[in-house]
Amino acid sequence: AQSVTQLDSQVPVFEEAPVELRCNYSSSVSVYLFWYVQYPNQGLQLLLKYLSGSTLVESINGFEAEFNKSQTSFHLRKPSVHISDTAEYFCAVIEGTGRRALTFGSGTRLQVQP
Amino acid sequence: EAQVTQNPRYLITVTGKKLTVTCSQNMNHEYMSWYRQDPGLGLRQIYYSMNVEVTDKGDVPEGYKVSRKEKRNFPLILESPSPNQTSLYFCASSFRQGTTGELFFGEGSRLTVL
Repeated sequence: AQSVTQLDSQVPVFEEAPVELRCNYSSSVSVYLFWYVQYPNQGLQLLLKYLSGSTLVESINGFEAEFNKSQTSFHLRKPSVHISDTAEYFCAVIEGTGRRALTFGSGTRLQVQP
Repeated sequence: EAQVTQNPRYLITVTGKKLTVTCSQNMNHEYMSWYRQDPGLGLRQIYYSMNVEVTDKGDVPEGYKVSRKEKRNFPLILESPSPNQTSLYFCASSFRQGTTGELFFGEGSRLTVL
């Protein structure tokens, strides 16, 4: 069965600093990978996804994630964060076969400080 | 505007008093799902529905019921709520289960069971 591990529950960072949010997954079959973002008092929104092709995927607001099959990772990065990036970020995985339901990690709260 | 609407957004109730959380989507999506979000646990799937009259258990279905009589609606029913069902609940939908993993989420319903 698939599983997702987000090792960091909270990541404090200063504005304009780089950030990396870590995500590792476990699955015996091929997977699709996602990052969702949850702003305060809102539902989750899709930030970016890896389905196939280039292992580096980007979002419209400057985040990127790289699928690393050998390390079973899908870390999220941004070279320079803004106050408005403060949110909770969830990594999620879906297997290419079976029930194909999204499995979410426990989330990482990104706190951007001025 | 494309959206998933949940009601109520906030509810405080007492043990054993039946309640229903409604969910409606206006995107003609086939797939709908309920999640609960608890600190440190991320989102866990309660029930899902592939289409009208087709529902199935997720990872944590105990104590919950659902129905899918119409494509747009997917209510979550707690027949006899207990304090361990105090949580933040999200309804989500997508065009079809699993293909791209992009779920559209409601804004959440925060339930407290005393």
